[in-house]
Amino acid sequence: DSGVTQTPKHLITATGQRVTLRCSPRSGDLSVYWYQQSLDQGLQFLIHYYNGEERAKGNILERFSAQQFPDLHSELNLSSLELGDSALYFCASSSLLQGNTEAFFGQGTRLTVV
Amino acid sequence: TQLLEQSPQFLSIQEGENLTVYCNSSSVFSSLQWYRQEPGEGPVLLVTVVTGGEVKKLKRLTFQFGDARKDSSLHITAAQPGDTGLYLCAGGAAGNKLTFGGGTRVLVKP
Repeated sequence: DSGVTQTPKHLITATGQRVTLRCSPRSGDLSVYWYQQSLDQGLQFLIHYYNGEERAKGNILERFSAQQFPDLHSELNLSSLELGDSALYFCASSSLLQGNTEAFFGQGTRLTVV
Repeated sequence: TQLLEQSPQFLSIQEGENLTVYCNSSSVFSSLQWYRQEPGEGPVLLVTVVTGGEVKKLKRLTFQFGDARKDSSLHITAAQPGDTGLYLCAGGAAGNKLTFGGGTRVLVKP
């Protein structure tokens, strides 16, 4: 158990809809990263939050947005969903103290758009 | 932009054989991690290397960080079917996002 919790584990929704994925980081970790992984692909970085502030953006679509709340949990919002958005979405947390960038991943949310 | 390239992309070997996976970059990282991911699961951290030239061993796995801290390798001795998975390297710099390589998919056949 990595200590990172993601909900829901599975999500099936129709094209055009909007969904919210939730991540609770490990206790004490200030950094949250979101990644997308399509079938048999590597991890594509979407966005990084540190202590409530956006720190870096990857190839995140304009239809996607995220935020990190004062209690440090994070949500990834995906709107106007397309079939190609079907993927595993992972969140990872890190303490980022003294240059330590070790990340601990949640189990992921498997999104299927039909 | 910091990029990490892993090679090979796919490796299929017989149980008992050795294998090496490479992770290369033109950028310097303050630390580099290796993760293993099994189907449907999140990546799990195997090791972190920090010092140039550092070598770490984890049972049959040997990890090396290049002297210039731009590259790393993972060597598995006498591979077993349980070593099957997607191996990912990731580099980080203080306060910055982790950069992941594309991954090497390893299949160990019994």
